[in-house]
Order: sequence, then structure tokens, then C-alpha cells
Amino acid sequence: GENVEQHPSTLSVQEGDSAVIKCTYSDSASNYFPWYKQELGKGPQLIIDIRSNVGEKKDQRIAVTLNKTAKHFSLHITETQPEDSAVYFCAASPETSGYALNFGKGTSLLVTP
Amino acid sequence: GAVVSQHPSWVICKSGTSVKIECRSLDFQATTMFWYRQFPKQSLMLMATSNEGSKATYEQGVEKDKFLINHASLTLSTLTVTSAHPEDSSFYICSASRGVSNEQFFGPGTRLTVL
Repeated sequence: GENVEQHPSTLSVQEGDSAVIKCTYSDSASNYFPWYKQELGKGPQLIIDIRSNVGEKKDQRIAVTLNKTAKHFSLHITETQPEDSAVYFCAASPETSGYALNFGKGTSLLVTP
Repeated sequence: GAVVSQHPSWVICKSGTSVKIECRSLDFQATTMFWYRQFPKQSLMLMATSNEGSKATYEQGVEKDKFLINHASLTLSTLTVTSAHPEDSSFYICSASRGVSNEQFFGPGTRLTVL
């Protein structure tokens, strides 16, 4: 089955700096890679996703890059703000509907003012 | 669009009782719904996958007689924790897929505390 590894487990940055979270996956059949933000006591919220036919995708301060050959993908947050503080999860799965997502273990991001 | 709700948001029950958690897709039809359990400071662990009108598929190690899942319509799935015990205390989260792709939308979660 799919194994998703996520690093680092904790990340502390100063407001305005960039944050990068990296994930690797093992199953070459995976072609859908979402990123979720989870605040304390809440469900995960999809913030950006990428599919295997795209190498990079950007949405304002958030970007995701994908290297299918190396089986890794990364989340980049620029100009971080204190409200970006949360736990971030990467996931991987086949794009076909009905498949469960395989999650990484999460990264706790703290943005200090 | 693509909003998923859960009810209740939290519940406290006595050991031995059963608890039902509802998961609804509010503005779309969910061909598949997933149930996850999350312990403090851990990742989401998939419990089961359910398709409307079919029996749920449970992950290894998840007791299907203890965690009853019903997906009676394209907008509603329920998880019933039967004969709950303190070790069942956890954060239960559902997600729903629209069927166009594997994009999944998560509910806000239900905090279950069993005394």
C-alpha cells in the first residue's frame, strides 16, 4: 500500500518568513496530492492540491510542487502570518473517485510575530 | 460549495452506551464517504469507506460490529459506536467525495468522550 512520509514534524518560523513542508510517497499509482490545514479541534481544510500532470501550482501565498520521478511533493507558504499556525497534512491517492487518502503524519507550524 | 457537516460536534457518554454520529454533504451528492479517527497529536486513521446503498469497507483492525456505518442516501452517512468504552474516546471525522475526482471534503469532526 501507499506510504506517505512528511517532514518536518514541527516547524517554527518568524512572521514574514517562508515555510516549506516536504512529503514523499511510495506508490507510483498515486496521482492526486492534496494538502490540508487543520486547526485545533476542527476538521482538515483543503488548502491546495496538485495532480500528476502538473509540476507546480500556486494560489496566492501558497504553492505546491510535485516531482513524480522522485516521488516527492512540497508545500511552500510565503510571507507567513500568525494565522497560518496550524497542523498541515499532505496526502496521496489515485485520482479515481472512491479511493481513500493516505495521509502523512502532519507538520505543526508555528508562526511567531 | 462542497460543505460537509457533522452532528453532534461533541458528545460525552457513559461506558456501555451507543453513540450515533451523522455526516451530511450539504450542497452536493456524495458518492463515497469516509470515516476517520484521530487521536491527539496524531494523523487521521481511516476506519472505513462507504458507498451509498452498499456495505461499508472496513480497514484492518476496525471492528465492523462495533463501528456500524450506514450510508442510506447520497447526502447522509452515520457512524454508530456501539457499547462505547473509554478507549473509544477520540476525534471522529468524516469526509465526502463528489465522484468527479478524488477531491475530498471534510466535516468539522465529532469529539467523543466515554466516561
